[in-house]
Amino acid sequence: DTAVSQTPKYLVTQMGNDKSIKCEQNLGHDTMYWYKQDSKKFLKIMFSYNNKELIINETVPNRFSPKSPDKAHLNLHINSLELGDSAVYFCASSQDREGWVNTEAFFGQGTRLTVV
Amino acid sequence: QKEVEQNSGPLSVPEGAIASLNCTYSDRGSQSFFWYRQYSGKSPELIMSIYSNGDKEDGRFTAQLNKASQYVSLLIRDSQPSDSATYLCAVNNFNKFYFGSGTKLNVKP
Repeated sequence: DTAVSQTPKYLVTQMGNDKSIKCEQNLGHDTMYWYKQDSKKFLKIMFSYNNKELIINETVPNRFSPKSPDKAHLNLHINSLELGDSAVYFCASSQDREGWVNTEAFFGQGTRLTVV
Repeated sequence: QKEVEQNSGPLSVPEGAIASLNCTYSDRGSQSFFWYRQYSGKSPELIMSIYSNGDKEDGRFTAQLNKASQYVSLLIRDSQPSDSATYLCAVNNFNKFYFGSGTKLNVKP
């Protein structure tokens, strides 16, 4: 029973297209995230949502728009795709502890986006 | 300055040896600290979490935290070829996990 699942696993698309990645967690966690992992394997936070509310937006271009219809889902829509958007995108979730501290983050399997 | 710094490696150790991985972080307000392992083409998976100064042991793994020095380390005893992977240090505060760029570990049979 997958804890954090994201679809699709692979996405190949042309420059200028619009695409979406979906993420769902069945752990009952309060916080969900989107991370981008580039070719050098650096994991960079993009967005953080807590109970459907946007908490963190780490200077991501506004072509990237996250949407959280409920606490268990966090989707990522990308407009006007560019070559530099090619990367692996990971969804993750964690449980809140007191004082804005989180338990460990659990990751989805990743979506490898290739823009051609 | 990056929030979390790690030596990218690769770190090569023989099978059965101790592998020592290190990480420093910049935000003194960071509250919790994690080590993840990532195999090529896979997602990061948690190995250890540590929240207070000192050592925490779990099987062959020991995490060490020194908040005064802003330093986190991971020791892997009796290293196995299956431990060969990239190890990511992560620091958490205010609904953010900042990751280091990872240290690639090679355990040679």
